Amino acid sequence: DIVMTQSPDSLTVSLGERATINCKSSQSVLYSSNNKNSLAWYQQKPGQPPKLLIYWASTRESGVPDRFSGSGSGTDFTLTISSLQAEDVAVYYCQQYYSTPTTFGQGTKLEIK
Amino acid sequence: EVELVESGGGLVQPGESLRLSCTASGFTFSSYWMHWVRQDPGKGLVWVSRVSPDGMTTAYADSVKGHFTISRDNAKSTLYLQMNSLRAEDTAVYYCVRKGVEPGTFDYWGQGTLVTVSS
Repeated sequence: DIVMTQSPDSLTVSLGERATINCKSSQSVLYSSNNKNSLAWYQQKPGQPPKLLIYWASTRESGVPDRFSGSGSGTDFTLTISSLQAEDVAVYYCQQYYSTPTTFGQGTKLEIK
Repeated sequence: EVELVESGGGLVQPGESLRLSCTASGFTFSSYWMHWVRQDPGKGLVWVSRVSPDGMTTAYADSVKGHFTISRDNAKSTLYLQMNSLRAEDTAVYYCVRKGVEPGTFDYWGQGTLVTVSS
């Protein structure tokens, strides 16, 4: 199975500041047939199920604010929130869907400073 | 509006069985792959199982293979997870999840149902 490792485990950022979460896969998740990375990001707010934010490493799901962006390729990926809002407090997970079973990172808890 | 509502969770003893259900609405259930994903208490997300739109193709995580069975009833827009020989490590919130338009992604999740296996 592909192991997904996120860093940091927790992050405290001031309102309006940038938040950066990293995700590393144990092997490349670059899908050669379309040259896209099979990597998604999810947001889970307290008491709620996860919500899909980004797929193919950098494509925002419909309705997701443009302050959320994804980048990276191969084995190293980043989720960036350009200007942190209070409603962004959540745990964020990366997920690889390159191979079965799909696997998730352990999560990064984002809090407001 | 897409809605997925799980039911059937609860407290059971090790070795017992439980069947989870997920009732779907707001979309054509019979057109989508459906999954179960679980979340250990205070921990991360683990994919459990998936089933094809026609119910004929299934897959399981190694940790549940042989003691969980996924199925669906498209006429009732309902997904099931039959869990046998439950173990303490099966304790988790179980989410019913719809596969997204993009391969491998999960675009809608239910609120989850808690399964606790304890003596």
